Amino acid sequence: GAVVSQHPSWVICKSGTSVKIECRSLDFQATTMFWYRQFPKQSLMLMATSNEGSKATYEQGVEKDKFLINHASLTLSTLTVTSAHPEDSSFYICSAPDTQYFGPGTRLTVL
Amino acid sequence: AQKITQTQPGMFVQEKEAVTLDCTYDTSDPSYGLFWYKQPSSGEMIFLIYQGSYDQQNATEGRYSLNFQKARKSANLVISASQLGDSAMYFCAMREEFSGGYNKLIFGAGTRLAVHP
Repeated sequence: GAVVSQHPSWVICKSGTSVKIECRSLDFQATTMFWYRQFPKQSLMLMATSNEGSKATYEQGVEKDKFLINHASLTLSTLTVTSAHPEDSSFYICSAPDTQYFGPGTRLTVL
Repeated sequence: AQKITQTQPGMFVQEKEAVTLDCTYDTSDPSYGLFWYKQPSSGEMIFLIYQGSYDQQNATEGRYSLNFQKARKSANLVISASQLGDSAMYFCAMREEFSGGYNKLIFGAGTRLAVHP
């Protein structure tokens, strides 16, 4: 099946810093990748869709200047949380479209 | 409007017994897919089973089966012979496939399953 990896698996950062999360498709090429966010004890909510060669598509209510998404190549999509604050602490997980597979997720804690 | 509804926040089951996790959905698209995922405490989303809206047979994958009732718009997950390792959060999700392009998964609120020895 389609294998998706994420790095890092967890990160702790200070408030005000930026954090980059990588999502890689290991055995297939992905022109699109979905980014989800999951707050504790809640369900997954789609944040944005990254598109190779064009701008990302953000869901309503997601700040595009805060959550920078770049689809650098057919195997790499990145999510950068800029000027992170404690309320950004969450579980971030990417998914390859048209497959049922998710990356293992990145747990972000902002102090 | 809520598209995926999981009415059971938590469920308990005795080891080796069967358990049904409920899921109802709402869509006007004729073509859609229904998914169930298991999320253990590690956070990874483990794909369990898929049912397409045009599939005539209920999907089965080992101990997992999906009780698909299209007219009632329900897609309940049945886990047979529960094991302690089945204790986790379970999410039902839907993907509407009628429109062109890539379509996102819409998740229910989840059901936490606890398997007791």
